[in-house]
Amino acid sequence: GAVVSQHPSRVICKSGTSVKIECRSLDFQATTMFWYRQFPKKSLMLMATSNEGSKATYEQGVEKDKFLINHASLTLSTLTVTSAHPEDSSFYICSAPPPGLAHNEQFFGPGTRLTVL
Amino acid sequence: AQTVTQSQPEMSVQEAETVTLSCTYDTSENNYYLFWYKQPPSRQMILVIRQEAYKQQNATENRFSVNFQKAAKSFSLKISDSQLGDTAMYFCAFLAGNNRKLIWGLGTSLAVNP
Repeated sequence: GAVVSQHPSRVICKSGTSVKIECRSLDFQATTMFWYRQFPKKSLMLMATSNEGSKATYEQGVEKDKFLINHASLTLSTLTVTSAHPEDSSFYICSAPPPGLAHNEQFFGPGTRLTVL
Repeated sequence: AQTVTQSQPEMSVQEAETVTLSCTYDTSENNYYLFWYKQPPSRQMILVIRQEAYKQQNATENRFSVNFQKAAKSFSLKISDSQLGDTAMYFCAFLAGNNRKLIWGLGTSLAVNP
């Protein structure tokens, strides 16, 4: 199946710093990618839809200035958590639907665990 | 609004036994897709099985099968011959429309006991 990678897999940063998380589709082009946040033993919460060549679409309640998304190419989307605070600590997951799949399957990255001290 | 409900936060089953995880959903759409995803302790989301709403036949993937009841808006997952490696969170998800956004249930934590 299609492969989606994320980097880094885990990051620890100090409060007030910014952290960039990369999501790459390794063997297909993705015009759309999705960014999720997941708390321990909870479901996935969609944060935003990343669109190649245009602005990301944010879900209600998600601060676009806090969580910057850039979909620079057909294989790369980045999520930057700006001025991170301890409450931003979470597990962040990206997903991408390969084009042309009639059954609409999405492939998920392995996730990034962010810890803000 | 479209919603997905998983009413069993936690379940357990003995190895080699069969377990059924429930999922119901609400939608006014006629064409949609339903998925079961598995999230083991590694936290990598893995697709277990999918069902297209226009197909009446229940999907089956080896030990995993679904009972899709469109009129009742029910989409349960049956795991046969449970194995220790099946221990994971299981999420039911729904997708409709062109925006390709998945609507997620809250998940069921399944423990397979030796």
